[in-house]
Amino acid sequence: EVQLVESGGGLVQPGGSLRLSCTASGFTFSGHWMHWVRQAPGEGLVWVSHIRGDGTNSDYADSVKGRFTISRDNAKNTLYLQMNSLRAEDTAVYYCARAGVMGGNDYWGQGTLVTVSS
Amino acid sequence: QSALTQPPSASGSPGQSVTISCTGTSSDVGAYNYVSWYQQLPGKAPKLIIYEVSKRPSGVPDRFSGSKSGNTASLTVSGLQTEDEADYYCSSYAGSTNVFGTGTEVTVL
Repeated sequence: EVQLVESGGGLVQPGGSLRLSCTASGFTFSGHWMHWVRQAPGEGLVWVSHIRGDGTNSDYADSVKGRFTISRDNAKNTLYLQMNSLRAEDTAVYYCARAGVMGGNDYWGQGTLVTVSS
Repeated sequence: QSALTQPPSASGSPGQSVTISCTGTSSDVGAYNYVSWYQQLPGKAPKLIIYEVSKRPSGVPDRFSGSKSGNTASLTVSGLQTEDEADYYCSSYAGSTNVFGTGTEVTVL
């Protein structure tokens, strides 16, 4: 059974840092692109970043470029999102999602809440 | 990286059909056949219901169908059921990045 479990969310002050993790199981982790998607309270889904299965290619939304870094450890079946210089507008539930080989993000984690506030 | 445009809401009675539009640009929806649709129930993670414009993952009822014309993709839910009441989001590949739609809340009257 495919499972994605996010962790690392919490309350952080503006300008602070946080690292999210997404632990995967039930599939060959290195064979899939992985995504981070966020959703501010009461708002819609926003794509944040993705990374190729072997970790050699990644991209970011303009809103987080230069502040967030996506990475993965295929030996640990874990996806990461390092978030620096956090702003109030980064407050959201952060989901990790697997890109299916057939297209679309076919499995999602339950999300982890990041709150940026003083 | 502007969000794709969806109507904020749509509704229909049980058994009726509802169609949701998703308008992008020639750099995203119009450029690639990599449009996906997601259903999100309250408090839950999104669920993939359509990928590559019109393909349904295993287990998704054939009441859900997708199409695309130019820069606009569409999701049709036929034979509406009460459990279809949810938020729906489109998403498109945009050439190295991805973009989601603004979301549509579907109400079953």
